[in-house]
Amino acid sequence: GESVGLHLPTLSVQEGDNSIINCAYSNSASDYFIWYKQESGKGPQFIIDIRSNMDKRQGQRVTVLLNKTVKHLSLQIAATQPGDSAVYFCAERAGTASKLTFGTGTRLQVTL
Amino acid sequence: NAGVTQTPKFQVLKTGQSMTLQCAQDMNHNSMYWYRQDPGMGLRLIYYSASEGTTDKGEVPNGYNVSRLNKREFSLRLESAAPSQTSVYFCASRPRLAGGTDTQYFGPGTRLTVL
Repeated sequence: GESVGLHLPTLSVQEGDNSIINCAYSNSASDYFIWYKQESGKGPQFIIDIRSNMDKRQGQRVTVLLNKTVKHLSLQIAATQPGDSAVYFCAERAGTASKLTFGTGTRLQVTL
Repeated sequence: NAGVTQTPKFQVLKTGQSMTLQCAQDMNHNSMYWYRQDPGMGLRLIYYSASEGTTDKGEVPNGYNVSRLNKREFSLRLESAAPSQTSVYFCASRPRLAGGTDTQYFGPGTRLTVL
């Protein structure tokens, strides 16, 4: 079975409710942030991104909020569905470097 | 497009054995990456190749070597596997930055166990 994700913080929400997943980033020089979704047995998949000159960005059922003052990023999922069950990672990029630094992830469990 | 493909999907090695993990992308991306993912931890960068012909160390390069064979292919080699290298390995690729989304696209992973 999938061993990745053991010991991760877990958020449990009921189907139809809104989910909020939080991420604290480390580098005040980071200028670009991404949220990834990883389903069991699969590679991470891009959800939404935001640049540091923005506070909020909306996609389809997802919103990312960026608070640079406290180096905090959040992902909001509206009307959470069973298919949203996965591990969610935030990632940051500092400047023009081609590297991303990933957070440890949060497991989202959607209950019926 | 197949995107990013990785082989093998699963592998079991004995301590001291060697093997090469293969990665290929058909999206004409310039940059390619190798990560490992361990329980309770995020992805950690092993090596990356910003463009064809260049490779650089990431956060955890010890025990690994890489080859950027051409623009499509980026392989990861374990010369003498150790139990600490038991992990899930992901390859990713990224297009040349041209504004807009600067994301990396990931393969399905290789699950490696070293006994």
